[in-house]
Amino acid sequence: DTEVTQTPKHLVMGMTNKKSLKCEQHMGHRAMYWYKQKAKKPPELMFVYSYEKLSINESVPSRFSPECPNSSLLNLHLHALQPEDSALYLCASSQPGNYGYTFGSGTRLTVV
Amino acid sequence: LAKTTQPISMDSYEGQEVNITCSHNNIATNDYITWYQQFPSQGPRFIIQGYKTKVTNEVASLFIPADRKSSTLSLPRVSLSDTAVYYCLVEYGNKLVFGAGTILRVKS
Repeated sequence: DTEVTQTPKHLVMGMTNKKSLKCEQHMGHRAMYWYKQKAKKPPELMFVYSYEKLSINESVPSRFSPECPNSSLLNLHLHALQPEDSALYLCASSQPGNYGYTFGSGTRLTVV
Repeated sequence: LAKTTQPISMDSYEGQEVNITCSHNNIATNDYITWYQQFPSQGPRFIIQGYKTKVTNEVASLFIPADRKSSTLSLPRVSLSDTAVYYCLVEYGNKLVFGAGTILRVKS
């Protein structure tokens, strides 16, 4: 298995909702990442997990809460988002220290 | 200040070789350069990675001159399906910086 699987593919949520994005990989990668991508812009790093521990938080607002239950799974919990948080949320994985990521197809999030 | 710079767009024709350059003035000796391809509504796909001289795989080559202030992704004999956005990702110590992306349009 050489894929990173993200669910759901599309999500529309209100500003008072709580939702979660899920990411799964079975390549044995021990680093997993959340990126946010706005239209016509490059991906922006949000969080890095290395060996299931949060190693980098790029000053992301607390309304985004990451979780890494095990080496194959990565979640991003969303609460009280703003319309400007609408974007493509990408999960990626790699071996720690290797930036040849495998990206998932992303979750297209719309906050209304 | 770490900055990764690419051309905004390039046009080419089928069968031509395309070279996309990325500028990275403050890269350190052992920092890597990685290139990705992205189609609309998809995640980026890894193309190639290197940190010095030349790296080649089945789809592309990456040329890195001795001063390492820039690097060039070379795509041989492009086809219409290579129309996409190409990003370079440069490691500056413990900081990763994506370029703004180069829109490559391949015409028949």
